[in-house]
Amino acid sequence: EAGVVQSPRYKIIEKKQPVAFWCNPISGHNTLYWYLQNLGQGPELLIRYENEEAVDDSQLPKDRFSAERLKGVDSTLKIQPAELGDSAVYLCASSFATGSGEQFFGPGTRLTVL
Amino acid sequence: AQSVTQLDSQVPVFEEAPVELRCNYSSSVSVYLFWYVQYPNQGLQLLLKYLSGSTLVKGINGFEAEFNKSQTSFHLRKPSVHISDTAEYFCAVSPSYGGATNKLIFGTGTLLAVQP
Repeated sequence: EAGVVQSPRYKIIEKKQPVAFWCNPISGHNTLYWYLQNLGQGPELLIRYENEEAVDDSQLPKDRFSAERLKGVDSTLKIQPAELGDSAVYLCASSFATGSGEQFFGPGTRLTVL
Repeated sequence: AQSVTQLDSQVPVFEEAPVELRCNYSSSVSVYLFWYVQYPNQGLQLLLKYLSGSTLVKGINGFEAEFNKSQTSFHLRKPSVHISDTAEYFCAVSPSYGGATNKLIFGTGTLLAVQP
């Protein structure tokens, strides 16, 4: 069974440029999450989707970050414009809508903003 | 709200020695508890979880953890570590009710560095 797929794995951009990350969750998982992981820190939730609906986006910096999950499957996270402080790993995870809360993580996208 | 504290940012240990990684949490409601492992340049992988029942939980790769409600702890242990256990370990907590079961709060992580 395929796990959570993310692309690209690495991205280097100049500040003020836009960037987008893509995530394909595990088949059948209704819930999808985007996390930000800074160096030496644990993941922090940016946004959580239940199917197509963003049910928790309180930690998403909406002035520059946006996300979508069309058709309730794949998701895209965008930053425009990127700042130096956005350099981090962006993790995508998925889970069933109810249950134990166990989440399955993708390998992440490492973003470097120069 | 919930919070997780991992006091040890790094734990050096020799191969085949026992290890304990500490995790304490704070919550005003009942919680589920998790340990995740992250190998270099990879995503997080679930080691074990406590939902209810026996307070001693066994996970993959020979790891186990014990839930102690009175001390609000969920320490991770392994009786004999291998070089391949070198990784970052994250403790996490989520509320155990309703739609909040999917809200994971992570600690800052502990780097387990196994030396030959």
